[in-house]
Amino acid sequence: GNSVTQMEGPVTLSEEAFLTINCTYTATGYPSLFWYVQYPGEGLQLLLKATKADDKGSNKGFEATYRKETTSFHLEKGSVQVSDSAVYFCALSDESAGGTSYGKLTFGQGTILTVHP
Amino acid sequence: EAGVAQSPRYKIIEKRQSVAFWCNPISGHATLYWYQQILGQGPKLLIQFQNNGVVDDSQLPKDRFSAERLKGVDSTLKIQPAKLEDSAVYLCASSLRDRPSYGYTFGSGTRLTVV
Repeated sequence: GNSVTQMEGPVTLSEEAFLTINCTYTATGYPSLFWYVQYPGEGLQLLLKATKADDKGSNKGFEATYRKETTSFHLEKGSVQVSDSAVYFCALSDESAGGTSYGKLTFGQGTILTVHP
Repeated sequence: EAGVAQSPRYKIIEKRQSVAFWCNPISGHATLYWYQQILGQGPKLLIQFQNNGVVDDSQLPKDRFSAERLKGVDSTLKIQPAKLEDSAVYLCASSLRDRPSYGYTFGSGTRLTVV
């Protein structure tokens, strides 16, 4: 079955530091890949996505590249801010499966990011 | 555009009691999902509706959980009787199409504590 593995957290950084959160996946088909963010007390929000190999998703200074050869979708940001403190989830959907559950998102366990001034 | 509405925001119940959660999706969104998010884990799909029909309920513990989506609009998720391990945040999401890559909106969730 499909699965997503994220790096162990929590991650604590100083403002303006470089961020990498690792994500690898296992899928039977050709998944679409996502990063979602959850700010304290709020619901999940889509941060970025990539739907095919070598696509790069980007938003708000965050980037992630769909690497089929390494089955990875690592999240990066060159300079984090205090306002980036949140929980980050990597997720996939297998929209090519041809079955009935291609609307389903499979999530990793989440990585807590704390950014200090 | 109004978001996905969920209520209540918080609920505390004793084990073996029953509880119900309500979700109103974005207008026009045919697909509705219920996810369970246990503390420290990623959300897990419980059930997916397409209009008012069930598409996937393979992960729904049917001995105690039930869900319905009448008239293809809002939805109710019920737990009866609740167990301690049901303590979690229950997230509702909706999408225009049954493809997450086309856009998927989550509600703020209902935090359930079973004591």
